[in-house]
Amino acid sequence: GAGVSQSPSNKVTEKGKDVELRCDPISGHTALYWYRQSLGQGLEFLIYFQGNSAPDKSGLPSDRFSAERTGGSVSTLTIQRTQQEDSAVYLCASSADRYSNQPQHFGDGTRLSIL
Amino acid sequence: AQTVTQSQPEMSVQEAETVTLSCTYDTSESDYYLFWYKQPPSRQMILVIRQEAYKQQNATENRFSVNFQKAAKSFSLKISDSQLGDAAMYFCAYRSVGGATNKLIFGTGTLLAVQP
Repeated sequence: GAGVSQSPSNKVTEKGKDVELRCDPISGHTALYWYRQSLGQGLEFLIYFQGNSAPDKSGLPSDRFSAERTGGSVSTLTIQRTQQEDSAVYLCASSADRYSNQPQHFGDGTRLSIL
Repeated sequence: AQTVTQSQPEMSVQEAETVTLSCTYDTSESDYYLFWYKQPPSRQMILVIRQEAYKQQNATENRFSVNFQKAAKSFSLKISDSQLGDAAMYFCAYRSVGGATNKLIFGTGTLLAVQP
């Protein structure tokens, strides 16, 4: 597709379950970012990928959060043993490379609700 | 660490009027980028305008312009001839130059309402 695609659009799950969120970046974009947007808050950086490697995981809030990227393309963000505070919109962005003059293009996000 | 502050949680403007959204930031870096993103209810973040800190000239994109005051660390967004479609959440964001990741650092946003 022409833009960043995220799935599912919405996810409702019970506390304690694991969830997987998917991001399909713009074709050819080597840099991929995950952000989290909690209610009434700005976006909070989670993790950055360059190709398949993740040189910056500094924003992951706990060891329940992990992410991978395969083939330099699709990325999956996994949250294990979900808690209610994990409820948020998770946004993915990609850019042609990591250099500052390349804008980040965002997907529509996944709204995660933990019951 | 860099921080971005948006002190106006909500703003309102009449259609066809002009509105200014405020943003301040804190950094010890001399070179960086600043951005304004728009987020409509669809949730997608749309880049409105960006400013390179080393450029003194304020960026302009059609009805959108910025007032960049580097010494004051201020980066406000002016929307002229406001339209109903401008109603959205607006986020100010900072990005380092030459950093390891160039992640965006966001403010908490300003919700803009446009009254017909």
